[in-house]
Amino acid sequence: DTGVSQDPRHKITKRGQNVTFRCDPISEHNRLYWYRQTLGQGPEFLTYFQNEAQLEKSRLLSDRFSAERPKGSFSTLEIQRTEQGDSAMYLCASSSLRDEETQYFGPGTRLLVL
Amino acid sequence: GENVEQHPSTLSVQEGDSAVIKCTYSDSASNYFPWYKQELGKGPQLIIDIRSNVGEKKDQRIAVTLNKTAKHFSLHITETQPEDSAVYFCAAGDYKLSFGAGTTVTVRA
Repeated sequence: DTGVSQDPRHKITKRGQNVTFRCDPISEHNRLYWYRQTLGQGPEFLTYFQNEAQLEKSRLLSDRFSAERPKGSFSTLEIQRTEQGDSAMYLCASSSLRDEETQYFGPGTRLLVL
Repeated sequence: GENVEQHPSTLSVQEGDSAVIKCTYSDSASNYFPWYKQELGKGPQLIIDIRSNVGEKKDQRIAVTLNKTAKHFSLHITETQPEDSAVYFCAAGDYKLSFGAGTTVTVRA
């Protein structure tokens, strides 16, 4: 069990650019979650998938954000036309079918929008 | 939606002493209450959790208590060590977690 992995770990971009992050969940975990964490705060729920289906999206997820999990394994989170307010740590977590509530987090992708 | 409040925001303890962090939640439908430890530059690490049908759970030096009637739960760390220094987050929910703002714990050697 290698844990949840995220790539890249850090991303610096200019305002208006598009960015894409990848998350690889723990093997055979059917649920995958995305959270956003700003400095000094706890993670905030963005969206989650059960297998390839996106079941819920937070109001925090504006139209510029899109997430996919095409084959029910890895997931991508894309932010279009980035804004300075998008600067944050983007965290991915996964949970198994047998214990859906217990979420294991990856190391996160830290985004800085200049 | 769920609202989780966490206190204190910072906590400094002498090595060997105990640390207590308290959280309250608003949604009575929440039935899962995990605690995470986050070190600088890393993702949150699950350290202990409790479900609504249990009042207390202990794992070595860490214990969590839950009072569903009062909608509050607490984390207790005994015999603190320098490696316990980190930011601790409580959370409440089920498939979707709402987190507190975190407690920065510093263990003085």
